[in-house]
Amino acid sequence: SQTIHQWPATLVQPVGSPLSLECTVEGTSNPNLYWYRQAAGRGLQLLFYSVGIGQISSEVPQNLSASRPQDRQFILSSKKLLLSDSGFYLCAWSKLAGSTGELFFGEGSRLTVL
Amino acid sequence: GNSVTQMEGPVTLSEEAFLTINCTYTATGYPSLFWYVQYPGEGLQLLLKATKADDKGSNKGFEATYRKETTSFHLEKGSVQVSDSAVYFCALYGNKLVFGAGTILRVKS
Repeated sequence: SQTIHQWPATLVQPVGSPLSLECTVEGTSNPNLYWYRQAAGRGLQLLFYSVGIGQISSEVPQNLSASRPQDRQFILSSKKLLLSDSGFYLCAWSKLAGSTGELFFGEGSRLTVL
Repeated sequence: GNSVTQMEGPVTLSEEAFLTINCTYTATGYPSLFWYVQYPGEGLQLLLKATKADDKGSNKGFEATYRKETTSFHLEKGSVQVSDSAVYFCALYGNKLVFGAGTILRVKS
């Protein structure tokens, strides 16, 4: 069966510090991978998606970046965090090209920027 | 572009009450429709889906019917439990997945 893991689960970082959130998927090959952010009291915002190694599409301009160094690994990074980066970050994967719209989500990473 | 509108919450119900969470959408073509659920402190998981008009998705006592004439996909459950307390997201898929803002459901015992 397929599984998806994110870490760390909780992170408290000062403004201006770097960020690295990691996500890995097991039990499937060539997944589409996604990073979403869920700000407090708001819905889900798609940040990045990837259809293959080294292929990253950005949905919104921001000081975050994403990388996919391996088929089943997706990393969310920042060189300098802002207060507005606080939120709940969710990694997700889908089969094929997301053709069914069904996503499988990780447990989430809660980031607090102070 | 495609969009999803959900009723604002929070929705607070007593155990065994009837639940309706409204969802309407705007889309070109014939999207697939979904309800996802997020339990406290967790990621989202798919609750149910419908891929064409008049389809009814169902799971865990929840139901939703794809109504093209009213562009709606309302979530219903006949008798809610405390364990149903969560955030519910309506979503549509045309060429990408678009989520609604989410509706918080609180069920009191």
